[in-house]
Amino acid sequence: DTGVSQNPRHKITKRGQNVTFRCDPISEHNRLYWYRQTLGQGPEFLTYFQNEAQLEKSRLLSDRFSAERPKGSFSTLEIQRTEQGDSAMYLCASSSDQVGELFFGEGSRLTVL
Amino acid sequence: DAKTTQPTSMDCAEGRAANLPCNHSTISGNEYVYWYRQIHSQGPQYIIHGLKNNETNEMASLIITEDRKSSTLILPHATLRDTAVYYCIVRAGEGYSTLTFGKGTMLLVSP
Repeated sequence: DTGVSQNPRHKITKRGQNVTFRCDPISEHNRLYWYRQTLGQGPEFLTYFQNEAQLEKSRLLSDRFSAERPKGSFSTLEIQRTEQGDSAMYLCASSSDQVGELFFGEGSRLTVL
Repeated sequence: DAKTTQPTSMDCAEGRAANLPCNHSTISGNEYVYWYRQIHSQGPQYIIHGLKNNETNEMASLIITEDRKSSTLILPHATLRDTAVYYCIVRAGEGYSTLTFGKGTMLLVSP
């Protein structure tokens, strides 16, 4: 097992374009999380899946953001009509139990010009 | 989840113990104390967690005061690779709850 994998690692886009990030969690993990991190700040929670069900969404997740986990395995995070304020590192994590540790990926860095 | 307070930054000499404090005076009985760290340009990495008792693993030790209002993460022999932002997080143990990160402590280990 190679841990949580995120792609692409870096994405530069122009304002108004759509972008999609993919996360492949650790294979036996049924919980998957998306976080966003801006410079100098700790990661901020965006959304959480248990298997294919999206159980919680932060108010940070505006209607331009959509996340899916169609078969309870990999997940995608799409941002429509990107804005410069969307520039951040998008982190994915997975876990397998309620009180256990979260394993994070290396993140996908988005730069919106 | 209870709020945590950590110093913004700390320095430590290589080979010495690094003691990182965290205040969580409003912690509830069912809340665990978690520590993660984030090395530059990487995702956060789990270090250790505990409820009441002190805990030790291959990376660090966690000392929780008897009243559970504060804790200390101890890296017994800090190395240059321990330079990172360290996050102390309080998380409810019953049912699902996510991790709420603060700004953490930037630990700089110097030669």
